[in-house]
Amino acid sequence: EVQLVESGGGLVQPGRSLRLSCVASGISFEDVAMHWVRQGPGKGLEWVAGISWNGGGVGYADSVKGRFTISRDNAMKSLYLQMNSLRPEDTALYYCTKDKNGWLRGYGMDVWGQGTTVTVSS
Amino acid sequence: DIQMTQSPSSLSASVGDRVTITCRASQNIDKFLNWYQHKPGKAPNLLIYATSNLQSGVPSRFSGSRSGTDFTLTISSLQPEDFATYYCQQSYSASTFGQGTRLEIK
Repeated sequence: EVQLVESGGGLVQPGRSLRLSCVASGISFEDVAMHWVRQGPGKGLEWVAGISWNGGGVGYADSVKGRFTISRDNAMKSLYLQMNSLRPEDTALYYCTKDKNGWLRGYGMDVWGQGTTVTVSS
Repeated sequence: DIQMTQSPSSLSASVGDRVTITCRASQNIDKFLNWYQHKPGKAPNLLIYATSNLQSGVPSRFSGSRSGTDFTLTISSLQPEDFATYYCQQSYSASTFGQGTRLEIK
């Protein structure tokens, strides 16, 4: 079964850090680009970060650049998002997604996890 | 950064109607435009990729097209299960989603 399972969300104070993880099964993880996408309360979808199949290409939304770091471990079929200097506006449901393509100039996200919730509040 | 302007933001329609949703890119994105359907409490679902390619398992009533930097999602005959929020997404440079179109039952 094709599956992406996120973990690591929770309640955190502003300025603190959190690390999200995503484990893949049923896909050729090492061949595809991966992304993090979030949806804040009452808001639309927002692309957060993406990483190419080999980790050689990464990209970030301006809203998180310099604070968030995306990484992957192909041997562990795992994707990560290190989130530092968290702000209340980072509060959202964070989805791990698989691209149809190996590169960041991709062809859409065809597999999505169920998401993990991050709440940034004092 | 590339901005995606999606319209309308909401739309009321009836079962059997033909519906179009548009996205305009702020610069050239070639064919790298994708469409998603999102229902409450579920993960988004890829409908169309690279402008006009139907994702496996998606009904043929969904189609996509392009004219320059303007992209269109068309649903030829609305079905009850199509009422949802729709998003465009450019994947040409980094990535950006449109603001979404909420499709409601009239």
